[in-house]
Formats: sequence, C-alpha cells, structure tokens
Amino acid sequence: GAVVSQHPSRVICKSGTSVKIECRSLDFQATTMFWYRQFPKQSLMLMATSNEGSKATYEQGVEKDKFLINHASLTLSTLTVTSAHPEDSSFYICSAPDPGTSGGDEQFFGPGTRLTVL
Amino acid sequence: GNSVTQMEGPVTLSEEAFLTINCTYTATGYPSLFWYVQYPGEGLQLLLKATKADDKGSNKGFEATYRKETTSFHLEKGSVQVSDSAVYFCALSRGFQKLVFGTGTRLLVSP
Repeated sequence: GAVVSQHPSRVICKSGTSVKIECRSLDFQATTMFWYRQFPKQSLMLMATSNEGSKATYEQGVEKDKFLINHASLTLSTLTVTSAHPEDSSFYICSAPDPGTSGGDEQFFGPGTRLTVL
Repeated sequence: GNSVTQMEGPVTLSEEAFLTINCTYTATGYPSLFWYVQYPGEGLQLLLKATKADDKGSNKGFEATYRKETTSFHLEKGSVQVSDSAVYFCALSRGFQKLVFGTGTRLLVSP
C-alpha cells in the first residue's frame, strides 16, 4: 500500500518557538493532504485540508495564523505551529488519499508527530 | 451532514472471547466505510474497508459488513488476542473528501 511519512516523530520545544512538521507521500502524488490533531484518549480532530497549489482549508475554530500549512509539492505538506504554547502540545497526524486506490476513498496515515511544548 | 457513531469503550475482554464493536453512520449517497486501528503511540492503520452495500471487509481475523438497510458497519472478531488491544475507529469517506471518524473504542484484552 501507499506510504506516508512524517518528520519529526517527536519534538520538544520551549514556549514561544515555532515548530515545523513535514508530511510526505513516498510512493504516490497527493494533491490533497489532511492534518489532524489528537488529544490523549480522544478521537482525531480534523484541523485543515492541504491543497497543492492553493490555500489550505481550515476547519471551524482552527486558527489559520497559528497553524500554517504549506503544500509545497505533490509529495510534501508542512504544518508549522507558530509561537507554540503548552496548550498546543498534542499528537499531530497527517493523511493523504491515494488516487490509485479505490478512487481516492482510502487514505493513508503518517505515523504521527508528538509535540510537547514546555 | 455525514456522521459516524460507535460504541463507547473501553471494551474489556478475556483472550479468545468474541468481539463486537458497533458502528452506525449517517451519510448522503454511498460512502466507503473503514475501520482503522491505532496502537499506543502510533498513527492509524487501515484494518479493513468496504466500498459498497453488502461488501464484507476482512483482515487479520476481523470482519465488518456494509449494511445499507441498517446503516451499520459493525466490527467483529471470533477470538481476540492480547495483541489486539488498541483503539478502533470507524470512519466514512467519499473519494478525496475528508474522513469522518467515530469517537474511537478502546479494546483491552487480558490474558
């Protein structure tokens, strides 16, 4: 199956700094990628849809100036948490549908990035 | 709008017990249905899927059947193992659109 990677897998930073998380589709092109946030023992919350060549679409309540998304190429999307604070600590997961699989119905998930803001 | 409802957990079973995790959905049209599994500290892995009514998805002993008449996609396994302990998410999607997840059900299997 298709493979999606994320980097870094774990990051610890000081409050006020910015953190960039990369999501890559390794063996397929992804015009669309999704970014999720997951709190402990909770479901995934969709933050935004990343579109190659255009602006990301943010879900209601997600601050677009705080969570910057850039879909730089057909295989790379980045999420930058700007001026991170402890309440931004979470598990961030990306996913991408593979056009070659079930007409894009099936999505492939990255392994996640655990962000801890001190 | 589209939504997924799944049973709350945790579900606690002994090894070799029968597992059912209920999932029902509300959607326009004919979505594809999925079960994803998340092991501690990891991302989501696709467990099984079904793309049309009456399809049965199966993998690793798990099964789920797409029931359009009851709008359900219940997950079953005949004999669970300790290694099946994880969180299971039911979800639906329609081609390149965002996945709609249920709240997740934690399964704990004891020896």
